[in-house]
Amino acid sequence: GEDVEQSLFLSVREGDSSVINCTYTDSSSTYLYWYKQEPGAGLQLLTYIFSNMDMKQDQRLTVLLNKKDKHLSLRIADTQTGDSAIYFCAESKYDYKLSFGAGTTVTVRA
Amino acid sequence: SQTIHQWPATLVQPVGSPLSLECTVEGTSNPNLYWYRQAAGRGLQLLFYSVGIGQISSEVPQNLSASRPQDRQFILSSKKLLLSDSGFYLCAWSEGWLAGTRTGELFFGEGSRLTVL
Repeated sequence: GEDVEQSLFLSVREGDSSVINCTYTDSSSTYLYWYKQEPGAGLQLLTYIFSNMDMKQDQRLTVLLNKKDKHLSLRIADTQTGDSAIYFCAESKYDYKLSFGAGTTVTVRA
Repeated sequence: SQTIHQWPATLVQPVGSPLSLECTVEGTSNPNLYWYRQAAGRGLQLLFYSVGIGQISSEVPQNLSASRPQDRQFILSSKKLLLSDSGFYLCAWSEGWLAGTRTGELFFGEGSRLTVL
């Protein structure tokens, strides 16, 4: 199976909070990341969290990490139309490579 | 500041023709370089990565090859394209181990859309 799994679609109303979930399999992961991809473009790093942290907050973004359950989530407060994109969860270990999930397509509706 | 460029942005090629996608990074030295392919609903598949000039590791057997002729240049090639090579190709870089800033994040180019007909 895949190393990193996330649901494929999320629809949210403008102004509400979005929560995107991700599970990973390798407990030796050192860093976990959230990337955003807008249509036809490359990926941009939104935020990352080190594996010894439980939470990280950056303006409208909150990352929660549950190491026991190997579960990572990204919460976007006050979701805006510009937040419509594909969001990728990724994990890194003590090598040069990141493993990505399949991406969650977030659609913000008025 | 560091930048990454890849080209062409869009490419339409017939089956059996050759391919060359190029990627260059500026503003850093000794980066790790990567080629990913993105397929709908399947996320990002790592194709090749390189930790130095002439050092290429292949992640999956395929019709493609990669080369790193210079420190900040990474090229994805094929001698004969297949229909299944169609996709969105992304080049990326990260700091090498020697940089000592090992948060590991990747910085991506804008992508190259390849359509094989």
